[in-house]
Amino acid sequence: GAVVSQHPSRVICKSGTSVKIECRSLDFQATTMFWYRQFPKQSLMLMATSNEGSKATYEQGVEKDKFLINHASLTLSTLTVTSAHPEDSSFYICSVSGLSTGYTQYFGPGTRLTVL
Amino acid sequence: QKEVEQNSGPLSVPEGAIASLNCTYSDRGSQSFFWYRQYSGKSPELIMSIYSNGDKEDGRFTAQLNKASQYVSLLIRDSQPSDSATYLCAVTLYNNNDMRFGAGTRLTVKP
Repeated sequence: GAVVSQHPSRVICKSGTSVKIECRSLDFQATTMFWYRQFPKQSLMLMATSNEGSKATYEQGVEKDKFLINHASLTLSTLTVTSAHPEDSSFYICSVSGLSTGYTQYFGPGTRLTVL
Repeated sequence: QKEVEQNSGPLSVPEGAIASLNCTYSDRGSQSFFWYRQYSGKSPELIMSIYSNGDKEDGRFTAQLNKASQYVSLLIRDSQPSDSATYLCAVTLYNNNDMRFGAGTRLTVKP
């Protein structure tokens, strides 16, 4: 399987600030990266799908101006939560897929965001 | 109707027993099927993938797929307390980038 890292693993910020989360595919070129959000005791919710070099496709109800996604290379995608508020506190998880994984998704370790 | 349905549980089995986790999906065009395990506070990790009807075995895990019944299951033999986690069923639809997850079944294996 693919090895995926996320940074930071945990972040606490004040309301109104912006937070950037990085997702890296360490051992293969990920043509597609996905961003999920998971609230406590709830299932994964897909936020957006991004293909390298093109704009992300956001799921219904996800504000693209609030959750900025950049997939600048085949190994790096970033999610920026702009003007974060306490209701944005959640577990953010990225996943990667590509030809060499048979398009199976492999997940990063996740980033726990707490907005005070 | 949800695209991927799982019994939320909790499912409790004694150590050493067989745990049976079930999943149904609504779209007959579904092509690929996956089981992920998620420990509390961690991200999902892939356990099994299955693409054709029948059984697929990997160690203590067996995935079973029945496309006619739109049903996929995961059997865990000789269950261990370390298997206690939430198990997510995932299905890809018309292209492999369109993966839909079930809500997960929480499994507890009691020593």
